Amino acid sequence: EVKLVESGGGLVQPGRSLKLSCTASGFSFNYYWMGWVRQAPGKGLEWIGEINQDSSSIKYTPSLKDKFTISRDNAQNTLYLQMSKLGSEDTAIYYCVREIFGVDYWGQGVMVTVSS
Amino acid sequence: ENVLPQSPTTMAASPGEKVTITCHASSSGLNMNWHQQKSGTSPKLWIYDTSKLASGVPDRFSGSGSGTSYSLTINTMETEDAATYYCQQCCSTPPITFGSGTKLEIK
Repeated sequence: EVKLVESGGGLVQPGRSLKLSCTASGFSFNYYWMGWVRQAPGKGLEWIGEINQDSSSIKYTPSLKDKFTISRDNAQNTLYLQMSKLGSEDTAIYYCVREIFGVDYWGQGVMVTVSS
Repeated sequence: ENVLPQSPTTMAASPGEKVTITCHASSSGLNMNWHQQKSGTSPKLWIYDTSKLASGVPDRFSGSGSGTSYSLTINTMETEDAATYYCQQCCSTPPITFGSGTKLEIK
């Protein structure tokens, strides 16, 4: 069974940084592109970015590429999202996703709240 | 912001009614998927590659489309189908783009 479990969310002050993790199981992690998607409260889905199998290709949605950094550790079956200079507009549920011609599996999501 | 237009934004359907949701892609010839999200839960892949049903999806659901116009159809609405549906396009620039979402309620 494919499982994606996010962690590292919580309350963070504006302007600070936060790093999310996603632990994968149930499939060969190093065979797949992986990505992050977020959803602000009551809003739709926003794709953040993706990383290929050996980290040689990392792509971001243009409006977020200066704020977020995606990385992975295949030995640990873990995907990361480093977020910097956070603002209230970054308050959202962050989902780890597996990608093959789009998203095929979603994690349960982790809440990030940016507030003083 | 890259968001694919979906219509309608919200709708209500009675049990047994036929439902159609549409999505307008930004470019033609791309892969189109659909995701279902129920309140308080993470989305699930529902339809992939325009018309293929994901594992466990009832066959009252179908997907179709070509060019820049795609649709998700429920042949006979059931209570459990109430959810928000998002189309999702791959693989252009940016690689993944989601639709604006259609909230489907039971009447």
